[in-house]
Amino acid sequence: NAGVMQNPRHLVRRRGQEARLRCSPMKGHSHVYWYRQLPEEGLKFMVYLQKENIIDESGMPKERFSAEFPKEGPSILRIQQVVRGDSAAYFCASSLTLDRGNTEAFFGQGTRLTVV
Amino acid sequence: AQTVTQSQPEMSVQEAETVTLSCTYDTSENNYYLFWYKQPPSRQMILVIRQEAYKQQNATENRFSVNFQKAAKSFSLKISDSQLGDTAMYFCAFGYQGAQKLVFGQGTRLTINP
Repeated sequence: NAGVMQNPRHLVRRRGQEARLRCSPMKGHSHVYWYRQLPEEGLKFMVYLQKENIIDESGMPKERFSAEFPKEGPSILRIQQVVRGDSAAYFCASSLTLDRGNTEAFFGQGTRLTVV
Repeated sequence: AQTVTQSQPEMSVQEAETVTLSCTYDTSENNYYLFWYKQPPSRQMILVIRQEAYKQQNATENRFSVNFQKAAKSFSLKISDSQLGDTAMYFCAFGYQGAQKLVFGQGTRLTINP
């Protein structure tokens, strides 16, 4: 059973370009979360999605950032017109349904985005 | 809003020693979950241990155990018989409704010396 798969592992973009980060959750998981980790800091929540729905995007910047989790295919975090401050590691996590017995989010290995 | 504070940016101990990492949090919720994650140089986030706030008994996983003090809002991690492979960043995290929308502390960089 493969874990959470993120690709690419490393992504370099020039200022003004678009970055697309992909996340395939663990098999059977219908909840996906994106987090951002700046250097020497903890992870910061960005967005929580279920299939075809954004449940909580309270951590997403208002502009240039968007996320989706379509019925088929991976979840995508999209950053338009990237700036140097977007350089960070972006982590995806997935979990089963949120009943009381489920308390673990499984993380991918992250995508390190470098904006030059 | 929930906050998580790890007051030890770095710690270093000798192999086989016991080490305790501190974590405090702030919340007005009564039912929640607390986690310790390990992040080695590979960057993979690995769940070490979790605690449900409604359980008074401290969680234990092999060499890892927690000291959960709900009234003090404290959640420390104890690593016994430390090993070189324990070298990593350790993050304390708070979760309301389980795995949803975790709030992480700033991390503690732990080094185990041979």
